Amino acid sequence: GQQVMQIPQYQHVQEGEDFTTYCNSSTTLSNIQWYKQRPGGHPVFLIQLVKSGEVKKQKRLTFQFGEAKKNSSLHITATQTTDVGTYFCAGPTPQPGGGADGLTFGKGTHLIIQP
Amino acid sequence: DTGVSQDPRHKITKRGQNVTFRCDPISEHNRLYWYRQTLGQGPEFLTYFQNEAQLEKSRLLSDRFSAERPKGSFSTLEIQRTEQGDSAMYLCASSLGQGRLFFGSGTQLSVL
Repeated sequence: GQQVMQIPQYQHVQEGEDFTTYCNSSTTLSNIQWYKQRPGGHPVFLIQLVKSGEVKKQKRLTFQFGEAKKNSSLHITATQTTDVGTYFCAGPTPQPGGGADGLTFGKGTHLIIQP
Repeated sequence: DTGVSQDPRHKITKRGQNVTFRCDPISEHNRLYWYRQTLGQGPEFLTYFQNEAQLEKSRLLSDRFSAERPKGSFSTLEIQRTEQGDSAMYLCASSLGQGRLFFGSGTQLSVL
């Protein structure tokens, strides 16, 4: 079945430094979603990418979807303490009869910011 | 509050006991998902419903786990004969079709 792999598992940065997390799938994805989970909280939707090579920005966050639609990245510029948390990518789960449905999450990248 | 709500927030039980969790999704959402999350890991898919139909169950879900969504609204997840390995956060989420998921705050299960 599909696996969604994320690296790195942990990332320590100084406040103000940039941060990037990468997501790779073993299968082509029709779309990819990103979620953020604060410590003690639940995952919260950030964005969905659908098109090959798509780039979307949300303030200091830049999301990319690879040309082959098998990888994605999230880049945060000039991290702030409010960025602390775990960032997950998620892709549709391949179904036995073909197609894909539901959502499979990666293990996430834990962002730790040192002031 | 019009978000996804889960009850209870915390559950402590002894090994071998049965537990049941409830999830109330956002009212207009037709899809409801159950995930399990352990510390430091991503949400692990358990099962999901479209309206009242259960469309998929994870192969990781043993026969001790059962979920229902009888009227296509709220859902229950029951774990029979709990084991210590069942200790985790159980997350419910809902969506409209294949759109973004809205998660509840979860039920933290501790099996002693």
